[in-house]
Amino acid sequence: GQQLNQSPQSMFIQEGEDVSMNCTSSSIFNTWLWYKQDPGEGPVLLIALYKAGELTSNGRLTAQFGITRKDSFLNISASIPSDVGIYFCAGQLGEYGNKLVFGAGTILRVKS
Amino acid sequence: SAVISQKPSRDICQRGTSLTIQCQVDSQVTMMFWYRQQPGQSLTLIATANQGSEATYESGFVIDKFPISRPNLTFSTLTVSNMSPEDSSIYLCSVVGAFSYEQYFGPGTRLTVT
Repeated sequence: GQQLNQSPQSMFIQEGEDVSMNCTSSSIFNTWLWYKQDPGEGPVLLIALYKAGELTSNGRLTAQFGITRKDSFLNISASIPSDVGIYFCAGQLGEYGNKLVFGAGTILRVKS
Repeated sequence: SAVISQKPSRDICQRGTSLTIQCQVDSQVTMMFWYRQQPGQSLTLIATANQGSEATYESGFVIDKFPISRPNLTFSTLTVSNMSPEDSSIYLCSVVGAFSYEQYFGPGTRLTVT
């Protein structure tokens, strides 16, 4: 089945630094979604990308849908302690409501 | 986005027993899914809960082990049957609204099997 390669596996950064993580796949996806999961919680949708080349921002977060439709990246600017958590990328094939394929996650730790 | 609740939020169960997890949404949704998240791992899709018909299971998951019901557009249940310690995981439901690609997750049910 489809697999997503998410990197890095974990990051330990200084507060105020910018963060970048990405996902790549051998398959083409129609939609890319980025989620954040805090301990003890379900994943929360951060950004959804629908078109190849699309660049979308949500506050300090910026994500891009790769031109080849096989990759996506997420940037966090000026990280703060509450950015700590696990970030997952997810790719979606097909039309509305189709199932998601998840990356392995990036664990973000911020040193204040 | 829809407000999704799950019951129970956590449970500790004995080996060989079964647990039914409920997922309730505050509005009608087109699609409902059930995922498993094993400790320290990513999310794996168990099945798509189809309203009024049998769920569609992913490879490696079977109806006898994970029976699913979806009687209407706002509610679904997942049962984890004949549990073993390997079933200790977080179980999450997710929903998608009509004509939407965005999928939202419930808070999860943390299951520990002893």
